[in-house]
Amino acid sequence: KQEVTQIPAALSVPEGENLVLNCSFTDSAIYNLQWFRQDPGKGLTSLLLIQSSQREQTSGRLNASLDKSSGRSTLYIAASQPGDSATYLCAGLTDSWGKLQFGAGTQVVVTP
Amino acid sequence: GAVVSQHPSRVICKSGTSVKIECRSLDFQATTMFWYRQFPKQSLMLMATSNEGSKATYEQGVEKDKFLINHASLTLSTLTVTSAHPEDSSFYICSARDRGGNEKLFFGSGTQLSVL
Repeated sequence: KQEVTQIPAALSVPEGENLVLNCSFTDSAIYNLQWFRQDPGKGLTSLLLIQSSQREQTSGRLNASLDKSSGRSTLYIAASQPGDSATYLCAGLTDSWGKLQFGAGTQVVVTP
Repeated sequence: GAVVSQHPSRVICKSGTSVKIECRSLDFQATTMFWYRQFPKQSLMLMATSNEGSKATYEQGVEKDKFLINHASLTLSTLTVTSAHPEDSSFYICSARDRGGNEKLFFGSGTQLSVL
C-alpha cells in the first residue's frame, strides 16, 4: 500500500525566505504527484501536478520536482510571503481512476 | 477552471440524526467522485469512490451502512452520514474527476460536521 510522508510537519520562516517542503512515497508506481494548498477549514487548491514521466513543474514562485527512483518530491516556494501561510499537502495518484494517497501535510507560517 | 460545489460548508447536529452532504460538479461531468475525511492535523483519508450509476466502492474500515453514497447523475454525488455520533465529527471533502479525462482532480470546499 502506498504511504506518503511529509517532513517537516510544521515550518515557520520570516518573509522573503525560500521554503522547501519534502514529500516521500513508498511505491514508485504512481501516475502523477500533486501538491495542494489547504487553508484552515477550507478545501484544497491544486498548485502543481507532475506527471510520472516528468521531473519538475513550475508555476510562478512555485517549483516542484519529482524523483520516482528515490520516491521523493520537493516543493520550493521562492521569496515567501505572509499570504503563503497554509498547509501544503502532497498526494500521489495511485490508480487510473483518480485515487489519491495524501501525506499529512506541512503547516507553513510566514511571519512578516 | 473547473468548479466543484459542496454543501453545506458546516453542519451541527444532534447524535442519532442523519446528515446529507452534496457534491456537485458545476461545469463538467464527473463519472467518478471521491469522498475523503480529515481529522484535525491529520491527512485526508479516502472513504469511498463514487461512480455514476453504480454502487460506491468503500475503503477498508469504512462502514457502508453508515456512510451512504449516491451518485445519481454525472454532476451530483451525495454522502449521508446515518445515525451520526460524536466520533463522526470531522471535515468531509469531495473531489471529482472530469469525464473528459483530465487527470486533475477538483475539490469541493469541504463540510465541517460537528455531532453533539
